[in-house]
Amino acid sequence: LAKTTQPISMDSYEGQEVNITCSHNNIATNDYITWYQQFPSQGPRFIIQGYKTKVTNEVASLFIPADRKSSTLSLPRVSLSDTAVYYCLVPRSGTYKYIFGTGTRLKVLA
Amino acid sequence: ETGVTQSPTHLIKTRGQQVTLRCSSQSGHNTVSWYQQALGQGPQFIFQYYREEENGRGNFPPRFSGLQFPNYSSELNVNALELDDSALYLCASSPQGEVVTEAFFGQGTRLTVV
Repeated sequence: LAKTTQPISMDSYEGQEVNITCSHNNIATNDYITWYQQFPSQGPRFIIQGYKTKVTNEVASLFIPADRKSSTLSLPRVSLSDTAVYYCLVPRSGTYKYIFGTGTRLKVLA
Repeated sequence: ETGVTQSPTHLIKTRGQQVTLRCSSQSGHNTVSWYQQALGQGPQFIFQYYREEENGRGNFPPRFSGLQFPNYSSELNVNALELDDSALYLCASSPQGEVVTEAFFGQGTRLTVV
């Protein structure tokens, strides 16, 4: 399983763009990169998933360089409600065995 | 709302007792995974069930066991509870396939062992 490394915490202000980078050096050819968001005492919530280049949905963008050894989650114009823990995950192809690290604790300030 | 429901939401048990936690997966999802999340930590994978068979297990002792039923709902059983078993227990359901798409997590069961 690919081990991921991401910053422990980040602070931002409302309205700013936040970029959280994750490294996954030993990602396998068929692995997808997945990001989840978790609020206190709630289950993680899927944000976005990608394989290469760029993926965008209504809440975030995911940038993946050609070597796929890292990825960057981009949250445009964050609000106070985006304060949460963000997890970068690389599940083994065909399984949902997620290896969660400690995630990145994002704090959005007014 | 993810369509994944867990019961009960909170539970207090005494050390040495046994507990059963339940999870109703989202319609159409045939894979259920269970996670343990201690305070301030990321969720830790316990095991996964696919079509009523365990098909993956994390680093948890045998006193953690599970079941998946024909309707794909699931149970997590923990015997001989220890104080360190106090945690949020999360269930996630997903469709099995070659490409791992999103897993839908329930709100969890908060277990306190005293």
